[in-house]
Amino acid sequence: EVSLVESGGDLVQPGGSLRLSCAASGFTVSGHSMNWVRQAPGKGLEWVSVLYSDGSTYYADSVKGRFTISRDNSKNTLYLQMKSLRAEDTAVYYCARGYSYGEPCDYWGPGTLVTVSS
Amino acid sequence: QSLLTQPPSASGTPGQRVTITCFGSASNIGSNYVYWYQLLPGTAPKLLIFRNNQRPSGVPDRFSASKSGSSASLAISGLRSDDEADYSCAAWDDSLSGVVFGGGTKLTVL
Repeated sequence: EVSLVESGGDLVQPGGSLRLSCAASGFTVSGHSMNWVRQAPGKGLEWVSVLYSDGSTYYADSVKGRFTISRDNSKNTLYLQMKSLRAEDTAVYYCARGYSYGEPCDYWGPGTLVTVSS
Repeated sequence: QSLLTQPPSASGTPGQRVTITCFGSASNIGSNYVYWYQLLPGTAPKLLIFRNNQRPSGVPDRFSASKSGSSASLAISGLRSDDEADYSCAAWDDSLSGVVFGGGTKLTVL
């Protein structure tokens, strides 16, 4: 059974850094496209980043240069390293598996809350 | 501002059929598959429809969807009280090389 569980969300000051983790089971992260998607309070879903099985990565313009997506194949875990955090990065961050290359997601985790505030 | 446009709200009474629309452009819905999700507070988004009109196992056939040009729609028939949730469309966008989502439609069962 496919399962995704995010962790690492916290309260962080503006300008700070945070690393989110997503532990996967039931499939191999390295064999699928893996995404981070966020939802700010009262807002819709916003795609953040994707890491493909071939190692290529893409980012939303809003996080480009500040966020880095990566994976650890030995731990079957996806990461999102976030730096220079802003108040507008406050959101629930979801890890989600892509259904196929260049397609949206099928399985999602329950999310982890990141709050950027002083 | 979401690249896919959905009405912010929809409503219906139990047993009714409701439709939620999603408008995009040539670079997303017009050239790629549409997905639909059900969002409930505090839970993982649930996939309702993939590849325009396909239902994952376990999703009842009360949920159906279609796509025409750069727009898509989700229909829910035999409306039930537990269908009350937010519904969001999504598609890959070739110009952005990423997924774009609709802003979500809050469905109220009266």
